[in-house]
Order: sequence, then C-alpha cells, then structure tokens
Amino acid sequence: EVQLVESGGGLVQPGGSLRLSCAASGFTFSSFWMHWVRQAPGRGLVWVSHINPDGTTTDYADSVKGRFTVSRDNAKNTLFLQINSLRVDDTAVYYCGRINYPGDTWGQGTLVTVSS
Amino acid sequence: QTVVTQEPSLTVSPGGTVTLTCASSTGAVTSGHAPNWFQQKPGQVPRALIYSTNNKHSWTPARFSGSLLGGKAALTLSGVQPEDEGDYYCLLYHNGAPEFGGGTKLTVL
Repeated sequence: EVQLVESGGGLVQPGGSLRLSCAASGFTFSSFWMHWVRQAPGRGLVWVSHINPDGTTTDYADSVKGRFTVSRDNAKNTLFLQINSLRVDDTAVYYCGRINYPGDTWGQGTLVTVSS
Repeated sequence: QTVVTQEPSLTVSPGGTVTLTCASSTGAVTSGHAPNWFQQKPGQVPRALIYSTNNKHSWTPARFSGSLLGGKAALTLSGVQPEDEGDYYCLLYHNGAPEFGGGTKLTVL
C-alpha cells in the first residue's frame, strides 16, 4: 500500500524554524517527483515546493522562496521541508504528495501554527 | 505570477451533469499543462481524481471525466451523487511549476 506520513509540525513563534518530514512506503520513492502542498485554515490548496527523483532539482512558490528548503533522503525514503523565518501567514496544514502519476497519494498532513 | 481560475461555486441536482472548468492567466490550457483534479470533503485529505488531463486513478468513479474544453481544462460529473458534494481543485503546470486553482465548492441539491 502506498503511504505517506508527515511529521514535525507544531506551534512556533514568528521568526522560528521547523523541519517537516514525510516518510514514504509502498512504492519506489527514488523514482518520483515529490511535492509539498499547504492549506491554511478554511482556505484552498497552495503548492509550496517540489523536488525531482534524485534531489538535484527543486522549485518553490514565490511566497516561500528563500525561506523554505526541500530535500530528500532516498536511502531512507524520506522527504523533508526546512521552513525558516516563519510568518503568521505560514500557518497551515502541510501535506506531502506524489502528484500527476497513476495512483497519486497524499499524506494526512502536519499542522504548523505560527503564533506569538 | 500565473493565476489559475475556477468557478467559486456550482450547484447541481442529484442525477444531473455538471462541468467544472480551470483557466490559466497565460492563455489556453493544453495537455502540456498536465491538468490534475482533486476532490476534498470537509475534514478530509484531498484525493486525486484525474491526472494529465483525462486519466483516471483506479479509485476514480466512472462518472468523473477530464477533458479540454474551450481553452480550459474541464472536469465533468455525469449522474451526480449526493456524496460528490465537496470542494474541487484543479492544478496546472506552468513551465514545470504546479499551481492550484482557488477551488470550486460543489453543492448537490
């Protein structure tokens, strides 16, 4: 069974940092582009970042460029998102996902709350 | 910055047919934008329905179909069921970077 499990969310003060993780199982993780998507409370889906299969190519939404860094460890089947200089408007559920492939899947999400 | 536009809300009767559309601020949507469609019900994780314009996942009900229509990506629901009520999001790739639309709230009434 294809499965993605996010972790690492929590309550953090503005300006703080977090590292989100996404553990993958049930598929050949190293063969797929992987994405981070977020959803603020009561709002729509927003694409955040993606990374190619071998980790050499990344891209980010303009709203997070320079503050977020996506990476992966294919030996451990894990995707990461380092989020720095957090702002109140970064508050959201963060999902990792495999998109635009047969049998796409998303994790359950991890909540990041930025508040003083 | 690219903007992807969807109808904010649509209402359909049970058993009816409805088409949701997805437009790009850059011009006509083509298969090169690899349109994807997702369904989200309240309190649930989004679920993929369609990838690369018109390809269904193994779990996608037959009543859902994706296409290109009048320069937009389209998701058509034929024989709508009450359980189809929810939010629908399209995603388009522009120069390799994905962008979601704002979502369509579908009401079955």
